[in-house]
Amino acid sequence: AQSVTQLGSHVSVSEGALVLLRCNYSSSVPPYLFWYVQYPNQGLQLLLKYTTGATLVKGINGFEAEFKKSETSFHLTKPSAHMSDAAEYFCAVRLTGFQKLVFGTGTRLLVSP
Amino acid sequence: EAGVTQFPSHSVIEKGQTVTLRCDPISGHDNLYWYRRVMGKEIKFLLHFVKESKQDESGMPNNRFLAERTGGTYSTLKVQPAELEDSGVYFCASARAETQYFGPGTRLLVL
Repeated sequence: AQSVTQLGSHVSVSEGALVLLRCNYSSSVPPYLFWYVQYPNQGLQLLLKYTTGATLVKGINGFEAEFKKSETSFHLTKPSAHMSDAAEYFCAVRLTGFQKLVFGTGTRLLVSP
Repeated sequence: EAGVTQFPSHSVIEKGQTVTLRCDPISGHDNLYWYRRVMGKEIKFLLHFVKESKQDESGMPNNRFLAERTGGTYSTLKVQPAELEDSGVYFCASARAETQYFGPGTRLLVL
């Protein structure tokens, strides 16, 4: 069965530091890959996605992610954290031909001044 | 363009009662999905509608859950009778293509 692993349920960074949230998936066929963010008391918002083409994907709010087929990874990064980035981040995959998303358990990003 | 809306935002019920959740997708989106997040765990797929037809209901936990999408517009998810383990956040999403847009969720607490 398809699975998604997000390493670290909580990640703490200082404002201005690099943000790195890890996501690995299990699939022999490259899936579609997504990162969603959930701010407090809000729904899930799409940050970025990879379907085909360029493996480095840029999203909103300065985030980007790189699809690495050899590592089955899709890690999310941001060069400089801002206090407003504090939220929960979800990695999700969708196999070609299937519609449902399979989510990781989420990573809560904490940003300190 | 209005986003996906869900009602109610919160619901607190007692075990054995019935609750109906509603989802209004983005206009023009034929695909509608229901997901659930039980506290501390991952968001899990429940089912998928294409217009008014159930395309995939492989994630529905049991027959206490009934989803409908009459007319291919809004959808309802009824839980009857509710059990303690049904507590969690129920998300609805809609899509025209591969990107799913999520609503704010309904937080259900069964006491």
